[in-house]
Amino acid sequence: NAGVTQTPKFRILKIGQSMTLQCTQDMNHNYMYWYRQDPGMGLKLIYYSVGAGITDKGEVPNGYNVSRSTTEDFPLRLELAAPSQTSVYFCASRGNSYNEQFFGPGTRLTVL
Amino acid sequence: EDKVVQSPLSLVVHEGDTVTLNCSYEVTNFRSLLWYKQEKKAPTFLFMLTSSGIEKKSGRLSSILDKKELFSILNITATQTGDSAVYLCAVVLPNTGNQFYFGTGTSLTVIP
Repeated sequence: NAGVTQTPKFRILKIGQSMTLQCTQDMNHNYMYWYRQDPGMGLKLIYYSVGAGITDKGEVPNGYNVSRSTTEDFPLRLELAAPSQTSVYFCASRGNSYNEQFFGPGTRLTVL
Repeated sequence: EDKVVQSPLSLVVHEGDTVTLNCSYEVTNFRSLLWYKQEKKAPTFLFMLTSSGIEKKSGRLSSILDKKELFSILNITATQTGDSAVYLCAVVLPNTGNQFYFGTGTSLTVIP
């Protein structure tokens, strides 16, 4: 199993550009999450999904959108990139038990 | 406001020392509390605690939860340089998606 994979690993955007961060898991997990981690800070939940077709906002959803058309994929969309969105983005998934989340390797995004 | 607060924010110790990391939370109704270790990349799971007063142990690491006083501690004995990392605490809420709320983390540096 590859676990949770994220692409790209790094990206530099100009202000106002848009992009999609990809996240895929091959563990057949229903629950998936997107976090951002700013330097020296903890993880902040952006969006989460409890299954295909269902998404909900986390703590910091503004400026982002998600979709969950399949169990495996949970892409995160930035429509109008702003410098405040410079961060490391982690995708995670979890099975049905109240157990650990499995994290992807992260995407480092810089908005200039 | 922060639901999960970790202390200290950073800590520098010598190899062989014992450290205690603290996690206090404001959430009274939660499913579980988790500890993660984050080195340079994604967090890796350490412990999940659901019951008060029951210590979880893994090698030199141990953790316990006090649901009455709303805190958890992570102990590391005989620290090694490989223990240097950020240690994150997260509380799992009992809502539909079982959202994880992370603290800002404690940065531990172990010097030889």
